[in-house]
Amino acid sequence: ETGVTQTPRHLVMGMTNKKSLKCEQHLGHNAMYWYKQSAKKPLELMFVYSLEERVENNSVPSRFSPECPNSSHLFLHLHTLQPEDSALYLCASSQGINTGELFFGEGSRLTVL
Amino acid sequence: TQLLEQSPQFLSIQEGENLTVYCNSSSVFSSLQWYRQEPGEGPVLLVTVVTGGEVKKLKRLTFQFGDARKDSSLHITAAQPGDTGLYLCAGKFRHNAGNMLTFGGGTRLMVKP
Repeated sequence: ETGVTQTPRHLVMGMTNKKSLKCEQHLGHNAMYWYKQSAKKPLELMFVYSLEERVENNSVPSRFSPECPNSSHLFLHLHTLQPEDSALYLCASSQGINTGELFFGEGSRLTVL
Repeated sequence: TQLLEQSPQFLSIQEGENLTVYCNSSSVFSSLQWYRQEPGEGPVLLVTVVTGGEVKKLKRLTFQFGDARKDSSLHITAAQPGDTGLYLCAGKFRHNAGNMLTFGGGTRLMVKP
């Protein structure tokens, strides 16, 4: 198993759809993250979970709803998104939130029509 | 808002050439990381620098942290097509209570054979 696995790799959805992105890490880490990567913008931190509790929410619209049922799994539930939400959504994990290295998944490319 | 500026944004060179990319901020970093992101993949950590003036080498890549810990550079010697990708710097700022990584906008490098 690779370190951090994201599914689906590609997703196309209409503005009224409900979908979810899934992330699973096999590294034994205790912190997981959602980042948004848009063209011409820096990576934006969306949510951070440490020991399954949310510790950071960078003013993300409520149409994005994270869920962390255990330390190995992280979901991003999507509802009534806008076309400007189209981006690459990257999941990452680390051992502790104050330590160095983030391990990223390959990302889920989302297109909102 | 604490920003990291990376330059240049885009760089296209021939195989065998040398190049340097830069990461700058007006604030002091407690630590700084460089990641490389290849097309269709998530970012992968290359190096972490912590001490002002520190120099680290990774094969043909040389990373330098500024004496004042406000800037960093990445120098690639004799670039190869396999070096193609997006180079991201990410810093933790000394006075950031959340201690989360802030990413720069990246330098997109293309090395032509």
